[in-house]
Amino acid sequence: GAVVSQHPSWVICKSGTSVKIECRSLDFQATTMFWYRQFPKQSLMLMATSNEGSKATYEQGVEKDKFLINHASLTLSTLTVTSAHPEDSSFYICSAGDRGAHEQYFGPGTRLTVT
Amino acid sequence: GEDVEQSLFLSVREGDSSVINCTYTDSSSTYLYWYKQEPGAGLQLLTYIFSNMDMKQDQRLTVLLNKKDKHLSLRIADTQTGDSAIYFCAESIRSSASKIIFGSGTRLSIRP
Repeated sequence: GAVVSQHPSWVICKSGTSVKIECRSLDFQATTMFWYRQFPKQSLMLMATSNEGSKATYEQGVEKDKFLINHASLTLSTLTVTSAHPEDSSFYICSAGDRGAHEQYFGPGTRLTVT
Repeated sequence: GEDVEQSLFLSVREGDSSVINCTYTDSSSTYLYWYKQEPGAGLQLLTYIFSNMDMKQDQRLTVLLNKKDKHLSLRIADTQTGDSAIYFCAESIRSSASKIIFGSGTRLSIRP
């Protein structure tokens, strides 16, 4: 149980284009999902908290217009990187919390490379 | 503020015990976690401890919590080559529902 999937697992895009990453909780309902980015050999940095049916809460320094988050259902959250630039290249990981539980379950990550 | 610190590297001989240490600053932490990340993969929750506990054991894993010193450790008994990974210490912050703060990660390498 408690499986979280991400799609795609990796993507290469050209500078200036937009990329959408999906995060799904497969066997539980996630009222809250979290989006992290991880640079090589670094820790995970929380970008935003995504609540089903409401606007996402962004961490300080994260541009909400650049990283669009939508959490339209209890099993799906999406992160869209708009007008991507090479410095947006990173490993993006989502996590989801089961309703009422404290644990977060992490997706396998999406590696984004912007050329 | 919220800060979690770990040493960056640890090398142990196969079969020995590994001890990974972590310190945190937020005294209101509710849960403390250990996650494992293998190369190119997401995070796997290994174990967690509630802040009112001192110790938790789960097979080869032992977690010790010293709340007074804000020190958390993970001991892996009989370390195997499959244990090579990055281990992240993390804390949940009581003031923010389910928000988790991660340490920098400790890279564990196993010597034959």
